[in-house]
Amino acid sequence: AQSVAQPEDQVNVAEGNPLTVKCTYSVSGNPYLFWYVQYPNRGLQFLLKYITGDNLVKGSYGFEAEFNKSQTSFHLKKPSALVSDSALYFCAVRDGTNAGKSTFGDGTTLTVKP
Amino acid sequence: DTGVSQNPRHKITKRGQNVTFRCDPISEHNRLYWYRQTLGQGPEFLTYFQNEAQLEKSRLLSDRFSAERPKGSFSTLEIQRTEQGDSAMYLCASSSGQYTGELFFGEGSRLTVL
Repeated sequence: AQSVAQPEDQVNVAEGNPLTVKCTYSVSGNPYLFWYVQYPNRGLQFLLKYITGDNLVKGSYGFEAEFNKSQTSFHLKKPSALVSDSALYFCAVRDGTNAGKSTFGDGTTLTVKP
Repeated sequence: DTGVSQNPRHKITKRGQNVTFRCDPISEHNRLYWYRQTLGQGPEFLTYFQNEAQLEKSRLLSDRFSAERPKGSFSTLEIQRTEQGDSAMYLCASSSGQYTGELFFGEGSRLTVL
C-alpha cells in the first residue's frame, strides 16, 4: 500500500518570504514523487517530480522540492513567495517497482498575502 | 497538444439514474486514469488503462461503476443507479507510457446527484 500525508491544511506566508509545503509518504518500492497545483476552477497542473538522482529537484514557477529518504519526506519550497502562488497544492507518490497508480495527499491551501 | 478534454463539465441527475462521462486524453498518451475528488480531499484513484487494457481498479469502487477504453483512445466512465454519495468531481488524466511520467489532468466533470 502507498500513502501520502500533508500535515497542514493551510499555509499562510507574506509575499517575498520563503514558503514550505510539507509532504511525507509511504511506499513499498522506490518512490516516485510529484507535486501538483490546482488553481480555482482549473485542473491539476504538474509542478515537479523526483524519480532518481539529485535530492533537490527544480520545477515550474521557481518551485523546488527536496527528497529526504530517511525522513520519507518531499517538501515543496520556494525562496520568495508571490501572491499569484496562492492555490491548492497536492503531493503524490507512485511505487516505482510497479508504476501503476499515483496516490495523492489531501492537499494544502497556500495563501500568500501582499 | 490540445490537452485532456472531459465532457460534460457538469451533470445534474436524480438518484437512481445512470450517467456517463467521456475523457479524451492527449493523443500520444497510452495511459489513462480516472480519479474522484470531493471537497477537502485529494484525488482518489478509481481505475487506469494502458491502451485498451484496464490494468487496475480500486477495490473501493462499487460494481455500479464501469470504465471502458475500447480503442485505446477516449474513455468512458459510467455510473449506474446513482446515489447521493456519488456526487463529486470526476477527474481524468493521461500520461505517456514511461513509468516516470507525470499526469496531465482534464478540468473534470462535476456530478451532482439530487
